Amino acid sequence: QVQLVQSGAEVKKPGASVKVSCKASEYTFTDYYMHWVRQAPGQGLEWMGRIHPNSGGTNYAQMFQGRVTMTRDTSISTAYMELSGLISDDTAVYYCATVLPTVMPWGQGTLVTVSS
Amino acid sequence: DIQMTQSPSAMSASVGDRVTITCRASQGISNYLAWFQQKPGKVPKRLIYASSSLQSGVPSRFSGSGSGTEFTLTISGLQPEDFATYYCLQHNSYPYTFGQGTKLEIK
Repeated sequence: QVQLVQSGAEVKKPGASVKVSCKASEYTFTDYYMHWVRQAPGQGLEWMGRIHPNSGGTNYAQMFQGRVTMTRDTSISTAYMELSGLISDDTAVYYCATVLPTVMPWGQGTLVTVSS
Repeated sequence: DIQMTQSPSAMSASVGDRVTITCRASQGISNYLAWFQQKPGKVPKRLIYASSSLQSGVPSRFSGSGSGTEFTLTISGLQPEDFATYYCLQHNSYPYTFGQGTKLEIK
């Protein structure tokens, strides 16, 4: 079945960068946008942006502009989200998700902890 | 940015109750609204898309309505597995924005 599998948990120091991967399977990766959403501990959902895997075109939420970069490798059906200049408030679970014609699968989430 | 104001932020109800959650958009979003359910430690699950279309596999006790700026999620006949946090999401324009969530607890 359709699946998004994300990379494992990360612990980073303030100021560092983190790159999370999201590997898609059982659908045509290049046909559908990949979205990234994050959720800080005990908080709500926050949309970060999206990438179209075919063109590489991106849309980012203003609050992440300049710090977030979304890329993809179509040869391995994998999307990436890199966040730089990490601060403690970036501690969160990061999800990838895609909207297909009949379902909206999500990755399992990647916990990124920012701590000195 | 379009602000999504969700109410209430928390509520308690009993099994069998009918509950309604509301999302109000700061400007018109047509029917570009989805509802999600999230249980603790779990991935969000889409329940409703295009304001009122039920996601396949979701029980029919869930329903959505609205257009423009006012939207509702109704659960008719609460079941024990429905106690969770619910979010709305507008995807009419960038940045997409979620409501702040409604935590539904057992009374």
